[in-house]
Amino acid sequence: DVKVTQSSRYLVKRTGEKVFLECVQDMDHENMFWYRQDPGLGLRLIYFSYDVKMKEKGDIPEGYSVSREKKERFSLILESASTNQTSMYLCASSFGGGPNQPQHFGDGTRLSIL
Amino acid sequence: AQSVTQLDSQVPVFEEAPVELRCNYSSSVSVYLFWYVQYPNQGLQLLLKYLSGSTLVKGINGFEAEFNKSQTSFHLRKPSVHISDTAEYFCAVSGLRAAGNKLTFGGGTRVLVKP
Repeated sequence: DVKVTQSSRYLVKRTGEKVFLECVQDMDHENMFWYRQDPGLGLRLIYFSYDVKMKEKGDIPEGYSVSREKKERFSLILESASTNQTSMYLCASSFGGGPNQPQHFGDGTRLSIL
Repeated sequence: AQSVTQLDSQVPVFEEAPVELRCNYSSSVSVYLFWYVQYPNQGLQLLLKYLSGSTLVKGINGFEAEFNKSQTSFHLRKPSVHISDTAEYFCAVSGLRAAGNKLTFGGGTRVLVKP
């Protein structure tokens, strides 16, 4: 089975802090994604990566950056955390075979910014 | 641009009753369609997907969905629900982009199965 592991289930940080969310997958997937999930809004794509050191903005990239130095690891960075970034963050990965490939999700990180 | 609308934000249903979750999408190109389920405190799991071929797609846990191109819909159904089906369900669409297979998600439908 595909395993997508997010480093923390719950995280509490203060405004202005630099926050790192880590995600690791064990299936040699080319694609990796970061979403945020908010009630009534579903999942919104922040950034994705289709290869090592390659990244592309999603629908809501403002206030975030990403890093993919190794194929199995994809990090989301909140440069200066703000209270409106309090949310559930989900990481996903998939094979690079095209848009018909399903995505596999981690269990999420619930981030609170105080 | 693509968009996905899930018409019901919450659906209460009694155990062993049928349930239908509605999903409509808009896209100017051909699409692939997915339903995911999220159980409490977990990530999303794939229920089923429509790529091509038969418009009736069967998934895990007794769920099925029907693709209707003329109505741009992909409704999810289960003839008899269990308490364990209490979860949030997301419809998603992927366009024909070659790289990155971005998904656009609907807002989700929360299903509460009552005994």
